[in-house]
Amino acid sequence: LAKTTQPISMDSYEGQEVNITCSHNNIATNDYITWYQQFPSQGPRFIIQGYKTKVTNEVASLFIPADRKSSTLSLPRVSLSDTAVYYCLVARTNTGNQFYFGTGTSLTVIP
Amino acid sequence: NAGVTQTPKFQVLKTGQSMTLQCAQDMNHNSMYWYRQDPGMGLRLIYYSASEGTTDKGEVPNGYNVSRLNKREFSLRLESAAPSQTSVYFCASSEGASGYYNEQFFGPGTRLTVL
Repeated sequence: LAKTTQPISMDSYEGQEVNITCSHNNIATNDYITWYQQFPSQGPRFIIQGYKTKVTNEVASLFIPADRKSSTLSLPRVSLSDTAVYYCLVARTNTGNQFYFGTGTSLTVIP
Repeated sequence: NAGVTQTPKFQVLKTGQSMTLQCAQDMNHNSMYWYRQDPGMGLRLIYYSASEGTTDKGEVPNGYNVSRLNKREFSLRLESAAPSQTSVYFCASSEGASGYYNEQFFGPGTRLTVL
């Protein structure tokens, strides 16, 4: 089971690009890297998933180096509404003993 | 589509009381999950059901039981509530396709307080 390490918290000003890095040294060949976003008093919401190199969608980009031992979630031009907790998850299947939600990174966007 | 729904939204129990948290999904997903979230602890998996008719323990199953009533519904039961079970409980579901991890869809949560 690949556990992850993320910064506990980050602050950013509105309009800046934010990069949140996750360390997953024990990642296995078949593991995918997934990021979730959680607003206060809500359940987490899927943001992006990748296996290697770079993945981009309308919300974020995910950068994964060749060794896959870390990944970086990039949020372009953040706004106040991006204030949330971001979880990095490494998993190969949906069986309960094959994935792990860490404590996440609390991002605060400052006006 | 309502997605994942949970009832109740809030509940206060006394120590030793029992209750069942209900969860339902309308996305025809195979897999369902129960998590608890405590301050500073992130999400911890209690039980999951990979498919209808199966359930398995997660990271913190003690003090809980689950029932996968049918494909849509997955309930979590506290037989004798303890203050340590004060938490926010989230239900989630996923397609459950084999061979790779696919995204989970979460419900709005149940905030449970045990006095």
